[in-house]
Amino acid sequence: QVTLRESGPAVVKPTQTLTLTCSFSGFSLTTSGMCVSWIRQSPGEALEWLALIDWEDDKDYSPSLKTRLTISRDTSKNQVFLTMTNMGPEDTATYYCARTFYSESSGYQGFDYWGQGALVTVSS
Amino acid sequence: IQLTQSPSSLSASVGDRVTITCRASQGISSYLAWYQQKSGKAPKLLIYTASTLQSGVPSRFSGSGSGTDFTLTISSLQPEDFATYYCQQLNSYPVTFGQGTKVEIK
Repeated sequence: QVTLRESGPAVVKPTQTLTLTCSFSGFSLTTSGMCVSWIRQSPGEALEWLALIDWEDDKDYSPSLKTRLTISRDTSKNQVFLTMTNMGPEDTATYYCARTFYSESSGYQGFDYWGQGALVTVSS
Repeated sequence: IQLTQSPSSLSASVGDRVTITCRASQGISSYLAWYQQKSGKAPKLLIYTASTLQSGVPSRFSGSGSGTDFTLTISSLQPEDFATYYCQQLNSYPVTFGQGTKVEIK
């Protein structure tokens, strides 16, 4: 059974750095083709993809946030991390992690499992 | 790659056939997924590679298209289908989502 769960602070102050953890089970991030992404959703807004890390530890970032984001993993603990620096009120959102699988023949097959989301509010 | 969904919202009745479109700003082959999101919940994958139904998703959901124009169809709308639907392109980075289509009860 595949599960993902986000954890981290519910409130951060402006200019602080946010660190979120995605703890997962039911799959291994070292399995060929496996990837985990971070996605966020501001209140009442659409989904916004942030970053992805794959089975080879390759990483990709949203160009608009690339300078502020770092995605990393601890395969021994089945965890993926996201750090976002210089948080501002516009970063108030629910942050999700999600799994996807990549194959040479079919490409990325959608984000099939998601965590329940972690609401992060940026406020002084 | 920008994705434009239409309509942004619609009102429909139980039993109606509903169609949502998603247009990509450039060709994305068939690397498009559709999601359903209910209020306060994480999105749920419905369809990937434009037309492949995710395991466990009812067959009243279907997807079609390739290149720049895609469609999600619900053949007979059920009460549990009232939600917001998003398309997503996975052809190239950055991964992008459409702005969403809210399906409401008429």
